Amino acid sequence: GNSVTQMEGPVTLSEEAFLTINCTYTATGYPSLFWYVQYPGEGLQLLLKATKADDKGSNKGFEATYRKETTSFHLEKGSVQVSDSAVYFCALIPGGNNRLAFGKGNQVVVIP
Amino acid sequence: NAGVTQTPKFQVLKTGQSMTLQCAQDMNHNSMYWYRQDPGMGLRLIYYSASEGTTDKGEVPNGYNVSRLNKREFSLRLESAAPSQTSVYFCASSEMWTGAYEQYFGPGTRLTVT
Repeated sequence: GNSVTQMEGPVTLSEEAFLTINCTYTATGYPSLFWYVQYPGEGLQLLLKATKADDKGSNKGFEATYRKETTSFHLEKGSVQVSDSAVYFCALIPGGNNRLAFGKGNQVVVIP
Repeated sequence: NAGVTQTPKFQVLKTGQSMTLQCAQDMNHNSMYWYRQDPGMGLRLIYYSASEGTTDKGEVPNGYNVSRLNKREFSLRLESAAPSQTSVYFCASSEMWTGAYEQYFGPGTRLTVT
């Protein structure tokens, strides 16, 4: 089946630190990959996406590269701000339909 | 352009009560979805509607029913609420069912069943 695995536990870091959130996936065929962000009290918003191998998605200083050989889509940001505090979800859409499969999410807390 | 709207924002029910969660989108999207979000579980798909006039079960449909009232509106009904249905419910929509289209999410309904 199709599934997404995110690293366990919340991530706490200082402002201007480097952020990495790991995401690996299992899927048949050639899925599209996404990162969604959920700010406190809000719904999810698309942060970035990549639809084929070696594509790099980027937005708001965040980047993730679709690595087919390692089935990964790790999220990175070089210098985080307090306003980046949120929950981040990795997700995939398998080829053929728009049925998203989500990882469990990672809470990111940025301390001033 | 409000995007995806949901009502109510908060609700408390007693076990056995029924209620309907409302969702509407103004983006002329064909497909709509209902998810529930539980701590440590991510989002799980309850039901979806690929296009007006069709609905289908997702990952966790038991205890729920849906109605695609028209292209804009997609409601979720709990006929006899149970404490296990305490959750945050999100409605989403996308342009199409086939292809990697972005899903747009509403602000959520926080439901507590006592």
